[in-house]
Amino acid sequence: DSGVTQTPKHLITATGQRVTLRCSPRSGDLSVYWYQQSLDQGLQFLIQYYNGEERAKGNILERFSAQQFPDLHSELNLSSLELGDSALYFCASSVTGGGYEKLFFGSGTQLSVL
Amino acid sequence: GENVEQHPSTLSVQEGDSAVIKCTYSDSASNYFPWYKQELGKGPQLIIDIRSNVGEKKDQRIAVTLNKTAKHFSLHITETQPEDSAVYFCAAPRGHAGNMLTFGGGTRLMVKP
Repeated sequence: DSGVTQTPKHLITATGQRVTLRCSPRSGDLSVYWYQQSLDQGLQFLIQYYNGEERAKGNILERFSAQQFPDLHSELNLSSLELGDSALYFCASSVTGGGYEKLFFGSGTQLSVL
Repeated sequence: GENVEQHPSTLSVQEGDSAVIKCTYSDSASNYFPWYKQELGKGPQLIIDIRSNVGEKKDQRIAVTLNKTAKHFSLHITETQPEDSAVYFCAAPRGHAGNMLTFGGGTRLMVKP
């Protein structure tokens, strides 16, 4: 168990809908990362937060947004969903979000858009 | 940005044999190279990493080698066991931020008993 909790584990929804994925980092970790894993794109970095502030942005679509709350949990919001958004979404955390840190991944949320 | 290529995409070995997975990267400024193992139904887990100031690092049955001149690094698993069966990912930093990682495409390793 990595100590990173993601909910829900599975999510089935329809095109055009909006969903929210939730992540609780390991106790003491200040930085949260979101990754998308799909068969054709592999593991893609979406966005990173550190202590409530956005630190880095990767290949995140404009339809997607995220935030990190004062209690350090994070939410990833996906809107106007398309079939191609079906993927496994991982949250990871690390202590400071600085260089060379080990990332601890949650078990992921499997999103299916029908 | 960083581009990471990983080979092979699948690898099948007999229990007790060695397995080698290779990755190449594009950004010569990259200086941190982790390897993650993903078991079925779980998130990736760091198994070993190497920084650019060393050429090799070992941890029991696993080792990583780095060739900065050629911009490639490899994962070596010796005396493979069935529990080594998983998907392995190499990664390199995006730009100079060590924790924003670009991952390789993954290698599915199957260890046959």
